[in-house]
Amino acid sequence: SSELTQDPAVSVALGQTVRITCQGDSLRDYYASWYQQKPGQAPVLVISGKNNRPSGIPGRFSGSSSGNTASLTISGAQAEDEADYYCNSRDSSANLVFGGGTKLTVL
Amino acid sequence: QVQLEQSGAEVKKPGALVKVSCKASGYTFTTYGISWVRQAPGQGLEWMGWISGYNGKTNYAQKVQGRVTMTTDTSTSTTYMELRRLRSDDTAVYYCARSIMAVAPPDHWGQGTLVTVSS
Repeated sequence: SSELTQDPAVSVALGQTVRITCQGDSLRDYYASWYQQKPGQAPVLVISGKNNRPSGIPGRFSGSSSGNTASLTISGAQAEDEADYYCNSRDSSANLVFGGGTKLTVL
Repeated sequence: QVQLEQSGAEVKKPGALVKVSCKASGYTFTTYGISWVRQAPGQGLEWMGWISGYNGKTNYAQKVQGRVTMTTDTSTSTTYMELRRLRSDDTAVYYCARSIMAVAPPDHWGQGTLVTVSS
């Protein structure tokens, strides 16, 4: 299957740690990447590969993977982290696939 | 710095075609490819395909195969995405994004182009 499944919504208290997950068969073979998208803006890559943060992405963002599940962890969530988060990986047909997205609310 | 500048919003009738451009700057165009990703109103991201900036090789998503053509002009570092036989469910913001290869995660994105399909 080439589908990636995410919880539609997650909430976290300001300063606490939150984990956003992404499930899919392809994640057993390929890494997930993660994007943050704020309203009216283009997505921004926050994690790629095993756990690589592009320049400018805060260290509170990290990625991990186990079996068919990839996770994005935000340690000490800030108000500015409130956004939609999308996971992304490839399938066996060399296509890119996105998860359905998770809306993160920081309380 | 890497920049991807997209063309402006379009309004098209069902059955028409649209061609969106994406001009790259700040990097060697032929070292990377461009992915096209669209987002319908209130919906998630959908990958449409990828084109190599080096040799124009393409990889299209099955959903749009047959209706989409991606091309490049290396003389102007510009990539084009043409979508034909437009339907109302093609209404979306279309993004170009830089990817070193078809299956690599795009690392820099354009600002998006809204395409509205309406009679």
